[in-house]
Amino acid sequence: DADVTQTPRNRITKTGKRIMLECSQTKGHDRMYWYRQDPGLGLRLIYYSFDVKDINKGEISDGYSVSRQAQAKFSLSLESAIPNQTALYFCATMGQEPNGYTFGSGTRLTVV
Amino acid sequence: GQNIDQPTEMTATEGAIVQINCTYQTSGFNGLFWYQQHAGEAPTFLSYNVLDGLEEKGRFSSFLSRSKGYSYLLLKELQMKDSASYLCAVNQAGTALIFGKGTTLSVSS
Repeated sequence: DADVTQTPRNRITKTGKRIMLECSQTKGHDRMYWYRQDPGLGLRLIYYSFDVKDINKGEISDGYSVSRQAQAKFSLSLESAIPNQTALYFCATMGQEPNGYTFGSGTRLTVV
Repeated sequence: GQNIDQPTEMTATEGAIVQINCTYQTSGFNGLFWYQQHAGEAPTFLSYNVLDGLEEKGRFSSFLSRSKGYSYLLLKELQMKDSASYLCAVNQAGTALIFGKGTTLSVSS
């Protein structure tokens, strides 16, 4: 099993729909992150969490919300999806700095 | 503010050496990472520098100068499989990794 699991892997949804992307990890890491990746724009930080009671906005949090249900689970929600939220979304966890992030496999989201 | 710059694209031939530069301006610097990412896949960890100097790991080396806000990733003996995007990321103390836009490297035979 993967250390960081994202579901779904691919999703097509309609404008205005609510959608949740889920992330679970078996690394035992406290720190978890959500990024989106767009061609030519790199990875941009949406939200991050250092423990269950700690939620922080990143660079591009507008239009998104998150929930840290447990140490191992960190979900990203789009309350009312819009086409410019079409992107590849990555969840990541971090333990000790020298090892960097452990990434999930990504969720490709298309909003039509 | 924060700014991380790296070239958008680079090309090289098999067997050659290529250097990918990264300059950064951030607050609360706590190390710099390099990641490799193949199209449609998750980034994978290549290197981490927190002190000035060169870190070598097989065909890959990474250099950091904190006073100049500068790093480079050196890839030797290039192979076709090295064709990928290379991401420079600064660990901003107390928050998260801030990524550059990535450098797409194309290796030809």
